[in-house]
Order: sequence, then C-alpha cells, then structure tokens
Amino acid sequence: KAGVTQTPRYLIKTRGQQVTLSCSPISGHRSVSWYQQTPGQGLQFLFEYFSETQRNKGNFPGRFSGRQFSNSRSEMNVSTLELGDSALYLCASSSGQSSYNSPLHFGNGTRLTVT
Amino acid sequence: LAKTTQPISMDSYEGQEVNITCSHNNIATNDYITWYQQFPSQGPRFIIQGYKTKVTNEVASLFIPADRKSSTLSLPRVSLSDTAVYYCLVVGGTYKYIFGTGTRLKVLA
Repeated sequence: KAGVTQTPRYLIKTRGQQVTLSCSPISGHRSVSWYQQTPGQGLQFLFEYFSETQRNKGNFPGRFSGRQFSNSRSEMNVSTLELGDSALYLCASSSGQSSYNSPLHFGNGTRLTVT
Repeated sequence: LAKTTQPISMDSYEGQEVNITCSHNNIATNDYITWYQQFPSQGPRFIIQGYKTKVTNEVASLFIPADRKSSTLSLPRVSLSDTAVYYCLVVGGTYKYIFGTGTRLKVLA
C-alpha cells in the first residue's frame, strides 16, 4: 500500500505570496490532518478533515486554510506569507472515524522557505 | 487542554534499554497516548499506542500509570539505528492533537 504522499517536497516563496500544498492519504483513509514543524515550536496541529469536513482547527491565524476533496486528498493554503511561516509542513492520514485511537501515518512533508 | 513535556535529549549505548517519559498532566478521560519516531527529513513514524496500564509490541513497550498523567516509552536493547527524535502525542478533546516537545535520543557504539 502506498504511503502518504506530499507534494512538492521543497518550496521557496517570497513574503506576501501565497502557497498551496498537497497531500494524498493512504488509500481508504478518510481522515487527513496537517501539522507545522519548526525548531522553535516543535510539531503543532493545524487542522483535521474527515469526509470533506473540517473537524477541528489548531491555534493558527486565518491565513492558514485547508480543504479535503471527495477522494480524501487534501490541500492546505497559506496566504500572505510571512518569514515565520518557514517550516516543514506535515500531512497525516488515519483510517478510523474516531481519531482518538487511530494511529497517524505521516508523509515526509513539504519544506517551505519564505524569503 | 493537555500539555505534554519530555526530556530534551538522552544518550544511551547500544544494547541498553532506554526509557523516555512524557508528562501530560491535563490528559482527559478519552485521550489516548501515542508515541512516534522521527528521523531527519522524514515524517514521524508510529511506534506504539496505549490508554492505560501496559502495552507491548514487537519494537517497544508503553507504560501508563493509573493516574495517566505520564507515560513511559521503553525501547529494549537499542541499536545505532534507533538514534532519532521521539515524540509523545495526546489526542485532546475535540480532536486536538498535542505533541510533546520531543526527545532526541542518541545511541552510542
């Protein structure tokens, strides 16, 4: 079974631009969640989608948004990029409707650099 | 909302048992505790998950005391390839995922 695929692997953007990251979950997984990883703040939860509905959102500004398509693929968008948005963005999928005990399967992330 | 803390780093020698503890004082009744391993330039990889008492799989054990305010990941007989960062995760109320601060484990020959 193919794992979680994130594209692109690397991105360089300029302050003020916007960016879209893509995630393809493991086949059959309906839950997709996104995370930001930085050396200073560690792994922080952005949002989670299940069956095209946002189930929850972390403490990030409205510039961070996402969506999930009917095939469970997901995208996240960051508008008006700031230098502090430079990070590794990770996507994870899980199988169960209940995320309490469904292990997360992560992609290898998209490394975003904002200059 | 649960908050999780871990030791920043640990060193161990090959063949030793390593125990990494995570503190999660505000864990809620329904929350599970999961541990992940992360190598550089890769996403975290699932190791083990538990709710209470002890869970064991082919690579690790997870000990959770009765009050569930902490958990301990135990890696038996570590090897050089176990050098990585280890994270605990508590799935908080309404699907909030709260990762620990991460423990950088270095295994020495």
